Amino acid sequence: DAGVIQSPRHEVTEMGQEVTLRCKPISGHNSLFWYRQTMMRGLELLIYFNNNVPIDDSGMPEDRFSAKMPNASFSTLKIQPSEPRDSAVYFCASSVQGLAGGYTFGSGTRLTVV
Amino acid sequence: AQSVTQLGSHVSVSEGALVLLRCNYSSSVPPYLFWYVQYPNQGLQLLLKYTTGATLVKGINGFEAEFKKSETSFHLTKPSAHMSDAAEYFCAVSDPVGATNKLIFGTGTLLAVQP
Repeated sequence: DAGVIQSPRHEVTEMGQEVTLRCKPISGHNSLFWYRQTMMRGLELLIYFNNNVPIDDSGMPEDRFSAKMPNASFSTLKIQPSEPRDSAVYFCASSVQGLAGGYTFGSGTRLTVV
Repeated sequence: AQSVTQLGSHVSVSEGALVLLRCNYSSSVPPYLFWYVQYPNQGLQLLLKYTTGATLVKGINGFEAEFKKSETSFHLTKPSAHMSDAAEYFCAVSDPVGATNKLIFGTGTLLAVQP
């Protein structure tokens, strides 16, 4: 099992550019979560999906952020346009619905917007 | 709504000393409980979990935690700290079981281990 796979690991972009972060959950997991981690705010839940359907996007900070899950094996988090305050580590996690196993986290994407 | 409190954002212990990281939750309904560890520049890794059954659960790297319903606590302990235990530790609880499929995370405790 390769675990949750995120790409890219590091992304440096200029302010105003579009950024797309990618996540492949563990096969068989039917819930997927996007988190953002910063020193100031800690770990924040942005959005989560059950069975590819967005359930709660109340953590998405602004309309500049959007997330999709077109199928059970792929999700994207897009920021357009990006701003320096979006600089953070973005984590994807997946789980089996019911939570007895907890979440499995990916290694994260470190985003720097200059 | 469910909430999680981790007392002490920074804890420092000497190598070989007892590690005690505190976690309290708010729900009156016993939730699922988890501890995660995050090493520098890595993702969160599951350390241990409580779902049902025995209230003392053992995890990786010699850590254990005890679910105490009467105290709504799930403190993490390790008898003897190693330098390699220096990391950030997150307590998490389910919100509530089967309803939202979401974990509520504490704000984390950064553990430093002094030689």
